[in-house]
Amino acid sequence: QKEVEQDPGPLSVPEGAIVSLNCTYSNSAFQYFMWYRQYSRKGPELLMYTYSSGNKEDGRFTAQVDKSSKYISLFIRDSQPSDSATYLCAMSPTGANNLFFGTGTRLTVIP
Amino acid sequence: ETGVTQTPRHLVMGMTNKKSLKCEQHLGHNAMYWYKQSAKKPLELMFVYNFKEQTENNSVPSRFSPECPNSSHLFLHLHTLQPEDSALYLCASNEGPGNTIYFGEGSWLTVV
Repeated sequence: QKEVEQDPGPLSVPEGAIVSLNCTYSNSAFQYFMWYRQYSRKGPELLMYTYSSGNKEDGRFTAQVDKSSKYISLFIRDSQPSDSATYLCAMSPTGANNLFFGTGTRLTVIP
Repeated sequence: ETGVTQTPRHLVMGMTNKKSLKCEQHLGHNAMYWYKQSAKKPLELMFVYNFKEQTENNSVPSRFSPECPNSSHLFLHLHTLQPEDSALYLCASNEGPGNTIYFGEGSWLTVV
């Protein structure tokens, strides 16, 4: 069983839609949760960073962590074509030295 | 511009060649990382350096040889690679354990 499971997609949505991206994990020791966005032919860039359970909002993006269910989500409101990218979830028990990544979900927002 | 610069961006090499990937970070960070990204697989951590000292080698084959001459520079020396080593190699850096890591744009490697 993989440490982190992420649906690879691809996921296509119309512009303006609400997008929900999800990851599940098996290691209950994970405490740090991140979402990275990776545009085609580019490196990943950090989008959201949360510690332990709860929600975090940043503009059109909301990250949710449910440790009891071992489930994390990223919501994108009013999606834009510029949001088209691969979204990687990552998590760790101790910090950035020990990150476990999902395989990434490829998102396309259609104008 | 992320502050982490990788060269070359693209590299094609034969299985008997020797080549090197270079990474430079302009962020004043103390830790540097090499990751491998293959299609449909999670990012794989390869090596970690803290203050120029290697602190992690994630069971990487010896045909990959890292070098960290100072906290700002990191190299990955490549020798007698296999076609399955073709991937995107990402360099990253951060201030230290527990801090956000910043990735470079990667070096696309094709082994023929």
